[in-house]
Order: sequence, then structure tokens, then C-alpha cells
Amino acid sequence: GENVEQHPSTLSVQEGDSAVIKCTYSDSASNYFPWYKQELGKRPQLIIDIRSNVGEKKDQRIAVTLNKTAKHFSLHITETQPEDSAVYFCAASLGGGGADGLTFGKGTHLIIQP
Amino acid sequence: DSGVTQTPKHLITATGQRVTLRCSPRSGDLSVYWYQQSLDQGLQFLIHYYNGEERAKGNILERFSAQQFPDLHSELNLSSLELGDSALYFCASSVVSGAYGYTFGSGTRLTVV
Repeated sequence: GENVEQHPSTLSVQEGDSAVIKCTYSDSASNYFPWYKQELGKRPQLIIDIRSNVGEKKDQRIAVTLNKTAKHFSLHITETQPEDSAVYFCAASLGGGGADGLTFGKGTHLIIQP
Repeated sequence: DSGVTQTPKHLITATGQRVTLRCSPRSGDLSVYWYQQSLDQGLQFLIHYYNGEERAKGNILERFSAQQFPDLHSELNLSSLELGDSALYFCASSVVSGAYGYTFGSGTRLTVV
């Protein structure tokens, strides 16, 4: 089955700086890669996703890049703000009709230092 | 409010007992997925139902079972509970049988004592 590795487990950056979180996946058939943000005690919330026919996607301060050949994808957050502090999870799935759910990475605790 | 409703929010029970967690998907969503989140295992997919039928099983123990009813709400049944079953249980819903557009509920925190 699919295996998703996520690094780093903890990331501390100064407010205003950029943060990058990286994930690798094992199943070349995976074609959908969402990122979720989870604040303490709350539900995971989808912040951005990318499908395998796209190499990059942006949404304001957030961007995701995908390298299918290397089987890795990354989350980029620019101009970080205190409210960006949370745990971020990457995931992979067959998607688009694939019934097998999402395989999540172990999460990255992002800390924004004031 | 995500539109996905999970009850109860908290549940404390003893080892060996059985509990039922309930999930009502967003209006119009036909798929319900169940996930377990624990500190050591992270977020793990348990099972997926689409329009009343089981579509896929993930890392779900034999002591656990689920079903989706005609009104599309789903229940996750956990039996012979062990201390290690203590976790947050989330359900998520989507319109189609696939992972696009997942919306998670607020979860049920299960504590087994």
C-alpha cells in the first residue's frame, strides 16, 4: 500500500519568513495530494490540494509543488503569520474515484516565532 | 461548522466495553470515511462507505465495524475496547466516492480507562 513520509516533524520560523514542508510517497499510481492544517483539539482542514496533472498550485500565501518523477511534493507558506502555527499533514490518494481513503504523513508542527 | 456532525464529542468508557460513534455527513455528500488519530499512529484510514455500501477498508481492527444507513448517516462500532483504542475518531464526507473535497467532522475523543 501507499506510504507517505513527511519532514520535518517540527519547524520553527520567524514571523514573516517562509516555511517549507516536504513529503514523499511510494505508490506511483497516487494522483491526488491534499494538505491539511490541524489546530490543537480541532478537525483537520483542507488548505490546498494538487492533482498529478499539475506541477504547481498557489492560493495566496500558500503553494504546493509536485514532482511525479521523484514522487515528492512540498508545501510552501510565505510571509508566515502567528495564525499559521498548527500541525500540517500531507496526504496521498488515488483520488478521483479511488475508494481507498487518504494516506497521511505523520505531520509537521509549525511554530511561528514572533 | 463544517457541516459534518459527529456525536458524542467525548466518550469515556472502560476496557472491554462497546461504544458507537455517529457521523452525519454534509447535505448532499454520499461518501463517509472514518479515521483514527492517535499520537503514535497519526491519522489512519479505517473504512469508507458510499451510498450505503462498503467501498474500502484500511487499518480497521476486527473488533471494529461500521455501517451507513439509508439516510446516509454512519456509525462506527468499537467493541472489546482496549486502552490502546483511546484516540480521536474523525469522520469525513465527500460528494463522490473519492478523495476530492474531503470535509472532516469535529471528531469524537474516546478515552478507554
